[in-house]
Amino acid sequence: DTGVSQNPRHKITKRGQNVTFRCDPISEHNRLYWYRQTLGQGPEFLTYFQNEAQLEKSRLLSDRFSAERPKGSFSTLEIQRTEQGDSAMYLCASSESPGWYNEQFFGPGTRLTVL
Amino acid sequence: AQKVTQAQTEISVVEKEDVTLDCVYETRDTTYYLFWYKQPPSGELVFLIRRNSFDEQNEISGRYSWNFQKSTSSFNFTITASQVVDSAVYFCALSEYNYGQNFVFGPGTRLSVLP
Repeated sequence: DTGVSQNPRHKITKRGQNVTFRCDPISEHNRLYWYRQTLGQGPEFLTYFQNEAQLEKSRLLSDRFSAERPKGSFSTLEIQRTEQGDSAMYLCASSESPGWYNEQFFGPGTRLTVL
Repeated sequence: AQKVTQAQTEISVVEKEDVTLDCVYETRDTTYYLFWYKQPPSGELVFLIRRNSFDEQNEISGRYSWNFQKSTSSFNFTITASQVVDSAVYFCALSEYNYGQNFVFGPGTRLSVLP
């Protein structure tokens, strides 16, 4: 297994457009996390899945954000009506269960630039 | 509420010097894990170590060592005989058992090791 992968690696979009990112976790991991990282800051938790169930969402995750993991494998994160403040690196991570004490393995991230 | 503080924003050392990165945390929980991650210039976060709240033994792994002190809520990381390849941003993270099983990351410390 080659680790967590994310696509695209970079996305430039205009304000108001919708964007979707994909994350493929390590195959045997049933926990999947999404984080957002801005320059000079640590990753901020957005949401996580246990298999296909979305178990927790941060208050950072506004109504414009939605995440899915339909078959408990890959996940998508969609941002609707993007705003300039959405510009950030979006990180995906996966881990074995239980997730609270297992290390998370991170993907390379998707860098979003909203013009 | 959970909180992780890394007071050192940036540190510069000359190769072969020892350097300690500080991490102070706040938690309501008695059961938690602490983690250190490294984010090299390539961008992908790499897991270094985890420590649970019931194990205050220090740990050494090669040039890396970690000092966990519950009395001061600190989990400090020391690199001995630093090398240029150690240049990266280092993040400390906290995961609580009873208050949301997601990771809370500190803001990170950027370490520059000069040749």
